[in-house]
Amino acid sequence: SQTIHQWPATLVQPVGSPLSLECTVEGTSNPNLYWYRQAAGRGLQLLFYSVGIGQISSEVPQNLSASRPQDRQFILSSKKLLLSDSGFYLCAWSSFSRYEQYFGPGTRLTVT
Amino acid sequence: AQSVAQPEDQVNVAEGNPLTVKCTYSVSGNPYLFWYVQYPNRGLQFLLKYITGDNLVKGSYGFEAEFNKSQTSFHLKKPSALVSDSALYFCAVRPDGSGNTGKLIFGQGTTLQVKP
Repeated sequence: SQTIHQWPATLVQPVGSPLSLECTVEGTSNPNLYWYRQAAGRGLQLLFYSVGIGQISSEVPQNLSASRPQDRQFILSSKKLLLSDSGFYLCAWSSFSRYEQYFGPGTRLTVT
Repeated sequence: AQSVAQPEDQVNVAEGNPLTVKCTYSVSGNPYLFWYVQYPNRGLQFLLKYITGDNLVKGSYGFEAEFNKSQTSFHLKKPSALVSDSALYFCAVRPDGSGNTGKLIFGQGTTLQVKP
């Protein structure tokens, strides 16, 4: 069966510090991968998606970047965090044979 | 623009009563439709989907949803609510023509409160 992991689970970082969030998927090959941000426990904002290694599409211009160095690894980064980067970050995957997305447990980021 | 609307921020229902969480969509072509549930500080869990076929689809935890093409709706239902069903529910649509991206458009979510 497939499993998706995210770490860390929680993170408190000062403004101006760098960020690296990691997402890995097990049990599937060549998944589509997605990064979302959820603010105030409400709507989801799609940040990035990837259909293959090294292929990243950005949905909104912002202070964040994403990379996919391996087939089942997706990383969300920032060089300098802003207060507005605080939120709940969710990684998800889907495959060509499944129409739905499956979500990881999330990372709660607080920028102070 | 393609969109998904969940017209109710919150739905309150007594335990044992039927529940409905509403969703309407506006996309071109034939959409694929989904419902997810989120408990506090957790990721989204997939409940059910409509791809094609019967308009009534059944999913996890006794939930079902009815696809209505003429009303462009996909309402989530359960015959008898449980207190443990209290959570945030999201409707999502994968537009026809989204290609191999698998991108979904999500509604803003509806909080379901089931009272004992």
